[in-house]
Amino acid sequence: GAGVSQSPRYKVAKRGQDVALRCDPISGHVSLFWYQQALGQGPEFLTYFQNEAQLDKSGLPSDRFFAERPEGSVSTLKIQRTQQEDSAVYLCASSLRGGDRVYTEAFFGQGTRLTVV
Amino acid sequence: SQKIEQNSEALNIQEGKTATLTCNYTNYSPAYLQWYRQDPGRGPVFLLLIRENEKEKRKERLKVTFDTTLKQSLFHITASQPADSATYLCALNQGGKLIFGQGTELSVKP
Repeated sequence: GAGVSQSPRYKVAKRGQDVALRCDPISGHVSLFWYQQALGQGPEFLTYFQNEAQLDKSGLPSDRFFAERPEGSVSTLKIQRTQQEDSAVYLCASSLRGGDRVYTEAFFGQGTRLTVV
Repeated sequence: SQKIEQNSEALNIQEGKTATLTCNYTNYSPAYLQWYRQDPGRGPVFLLLIRENEKEKRKERLKVTFDTTLKQSLFHITASQPADSATYLCALNQGGKLIFGQGTELSVKP
C-alpha cells in the first residue's frame, strides 16, 4: 500500500487479556517506530527498529509490552495481561532511513485505539 | 532531565492572521527538528524539517526557525485559514528516534 497501515483500528480488551497490534510499514522503509498517545498528549516513544533489529526499547512501560519485526517489514506490538492504564492510541511510524544524524521524516499510520475494560 | 515543551494552552486566532507556535527543549542536542500536524483520529503528518545548521526554513505559508543556543524552534503559519485548525507537534531526534512535545492545538476562526 501507499502508506503505513495499522490493524485493528479499534480494539476493546477485557482486563487481563492479551492483545496484538499490527503495523505494515511503507515498503522499503528501514526504520519502524511504535508510540503510545494518551488523549491530549503528544506521542510517547515506545520502541524502535532498524530493519529487524530492535535498537531501542527504552520506552516500553513494562515487561508486559513486547514488540517484534522478524523479517524487517511487518511489526507486531503485543501487550500481555492488559490493564486499564494501557488504554491509549498506539501509533506506528516508518521512515526510509535510520540513524542518529540521518535527516528523514516519519510516516504515521492512523493508529489503533485500545480500550481496556 | 530531558524535556520538550510546547505552548500548553490552545491558540485561538482570526483567519488571515499569523499563528506562532513555540517549541522549547532542554538537555537535548538534536541534529534536526521536525514539525507535524495531527487532526483528530489521525496519525501525525510531517510538515517541515530543519537541521541544526539552518536558521530558518520555509514552505508555502509555513516558516520554521531553529535556535540551538536558545534551544527553541518557532513555527509560523501566515495568512491562516480555518483549514489550518489542528494540533501541531514538534519532534526532535535523539539516538535515531523522534521525541515529541505534547502539541499545541490551533483554532483559526473565520
